[in-house]
Amino acid sequence: GAVVSQHPSWVICKSGTSVKIECRSLDFQATTMFWYRQFPKQSLMLMATSNEGSKATYEQGVEKDKFLINHASLTLSTLTVTSAHPEDSSFYICSAREIGGQGVFGTDTQYFGPGTRLTVL
Amino acid sequence: AQKVTQAQTEISVVEKEDVTLDCVYETRDTTYYLFWYKQPPSGELVFLIRRNSFDEQNEISGRYSWNFQKSTSSFNFTITASQVVDSAVYFCALSYDSGAGSYQLTFGKGTKLSVIP
Repeated sequence: GAVVSQHPSWVICKSGTSVKIECRSLDFQATTMFWYRQFPKQSLMLMATSNEGSKATYEQGVEKDKFLINHASLTLSTLTVTSAHPEDSSFYICSAREIGGQGVFGTDTQYFGPGTRLTVL
Repeated sequence: AQKVTQAQTEISVVEKEDVTLDCVYETRDTTYYLFWYKQPPSGELVFLIRRNSFDEQNEISGRYSWNFQKSTSSFNFTITASQVVDSAVYFCALSYDSGAGSYQLTFGKGTKLSVIP
């Protein structure tokens, strides 16, 4: 199946620093990637949709200047949390949308990375 | 508006029992997709199944089976002969075109399944 990697898997940083998280589709090209945030024991909350070669589309309430998204290639999207604060501590998950892939269950499916646990001290 | 409801917050079963996870969805779109994902304690979401709105055929994959009924807007998931490794949070999700061909996922709140040995 399609594989999505995410790096780093966890990071601890001081308040005020910036953290970059990478999301890569390893065996397929993804024109669209998504970034989610998940709080403990809660569901996933979509933060933004990242389209290769264009600006990301942010969900209502998500600060564009705080969560910078870059989708420079068909296999890589990055999320940078700028000037991180303790309230930004969370589990961040990316997904990549595969279209036209092979398989029993058809095409157009989001495959998820393993997530990045961010802790801001 | 799109909405996915997983009424069961937590379920506990004894190993080898069958268990059904419920999912009810709401959408005005005629073309949509339904998914189930598994999130084990490690955190990674594992894709289990995708269903198109125009394909109501039920699906079986090993111990897993899915029952899709458009008449009741439900997409239920059954695990037969549950195992400890099935312990996880299971999410039902609905995909729709939010514009310009960008298919976003709306997730239910998840059902935490605990399989007791």
